[in-house]
Amino acid sequence: EVQLVQSGAEVKKPGESLKISCKCSGYSLTSYWIGWVRQMPGKGLEWMGIIYPGDSDTRYSPSFQGQVTISVDKSIGTAFLQWSSLKASDTAMYFCVRTTVTTPVDYWGQGTLVTVSS
Amino acid sequence: EIVLTQSPDFQSVTPKEKVTITCRASQSIGSSLHWYQQKPDQSPKLLIKYASQSISGVPSRFSGSGSGTDFTLTINSLEAEDAAAYYCHQSSSLPLTFGGGTKVEIK
Repeated sequence: EVQLVQSGAEVKKPGESLKISCKCSGYSLTSYWIGWVRQMPGKGLEWMGIIYPGDSDTRYSPSFQGQVTISVDKSIGTAFLQWSSLKASDTAMYFCVRTTVTTPVDYWGQGTLVTVSS
Repeated sequence: EIVLTQSPDFQSVTPKEKVTITCRASQSIGSSLHWYQQKPDQSPKLLIKYASQSISGVPSRFSGSGSGTDFTLTINSLEAEDAAAYYCHQSSSLPLTFGGGTKVEIK
């Protein structure tokens, strides 16, 4: 069974760093890309970027380039999304997803809620 | 970047009514357009792929059409359980993008 299981909710202060995770199982990791999608409170879905676990090729959406870092540890089947200095505007639900880039998203993680508040 | 413009943003509909949501792409994307449903506090779920292809397990009242730049999601005979937000997504070129979403409320 394909599963994308994300790490738990986080509450952080502005300026702090954070790394959230997405554990992928039940399929061949190198057959798909993993993406990250942001959903701010009461708002729509936004693509942040995608990464290919085979060679860590990463593509960021323009709005997120330089704002976050997407990485993957193939040996443990886990993708990561990290911030070096959080802002209040990073408060959102973050979903990891499975895709082949040219196909629809067929699996979604359960989401990780990140709250940034002083 | 391909921009997807959905309309309307919000629709309040009575049960059994027909719902039509449109998604317009800023450039031609062939049939690389997919539709998702997101209910409150849930992850989105794939409804329609490649503009018009149905997904196993999705009720037949959901259908999609279109190609190029103009696409439509239709919900025939709306049911109460269809209250949700609906999003289009293009996989024609990077960066991948979503439409802004349409919230469907049941009157």
